[in-house]
Amino acid sequence: GQQVMQIPQYQHVQEGEDFTTYCNSSTTLSNIQWYKQRPGGHPVFLIQLVKSGEVKKQKRLTFQFGEAKKNSSLHITATQTTDVGTYFCADAGNNRKLIWGLGTSLAVNP
Amino acid sequence: ETGVTQTPRHLVMGMTNKKSLKCEQHLGHNAMYWYKQSAKKPLELMFVYNFKEQTENNSVPSRFSPECPNSSHLFLHLHTLQPEDSALYLCASSQDRGGQDTQYFGPGTRLTVL
Repeated sequence: GQQVMQIPQYQHVQEGEDFTTYCNSSTTLSNIQWYKQRPGGHPVFLIQLVKSGEVKKQKRLTFQFGEAKKNSSLHITATQTTDVGTYFCADAGNNRKLIWGLGTSLAVNP
Repeated sequence: ETGVTQTPRHLVMGMTNKKSLKCEQHLGHNAMYWYKQSAKKPLELMFVYNFKEQTENNSVPSRFSPECPNSSHLFLHLHTLQPEDSALYLCASSQDRGGQDTQYFGPGTRLTVL
């Protein structure tokens, strides 16, 4: 079945450094949703990307959908300790279920 | 902060026990979900309910039994669980069962099976 891969699995950065996580699929993605889960918390919706090549920004977060709709990325500029958590991408899929990636866990050293 | 509540937040049970997890959403949504989250695995969708009807059962063992009495409440009845069932069980809701809908998650129940 369809799989959504996320890399890297873990990332350790110094506060102030940038961070990027990538979401890839061998098949065409439908709509990509990004979620953040803080340690000990639950996934919280961040954004949805629908169109090929779409770019959306939320303050220091930039989300991108690939031109071929086979990949997506989340970039955080100048990380802060509040950015700590696991970032998940999920494809809405054609059968109306979310297909989740494994997530990228971000640790930020103050 | 979230419109989805789950009880209990933590549960420890033996393999012969019977317990139930409860989820309630206050968002007026029509679809509710049970997920299992284990370390180093993607979120696993277990069950989906839409307008109280079960529309998805992802080959979940029968020791997990869901119940959805109305669009706001969802239960997961547990019996004769195995230690490998220890995980975080997350409930979520969305406006409709459409995959493009945003899913709102509850805080989860951390389950430990001894």
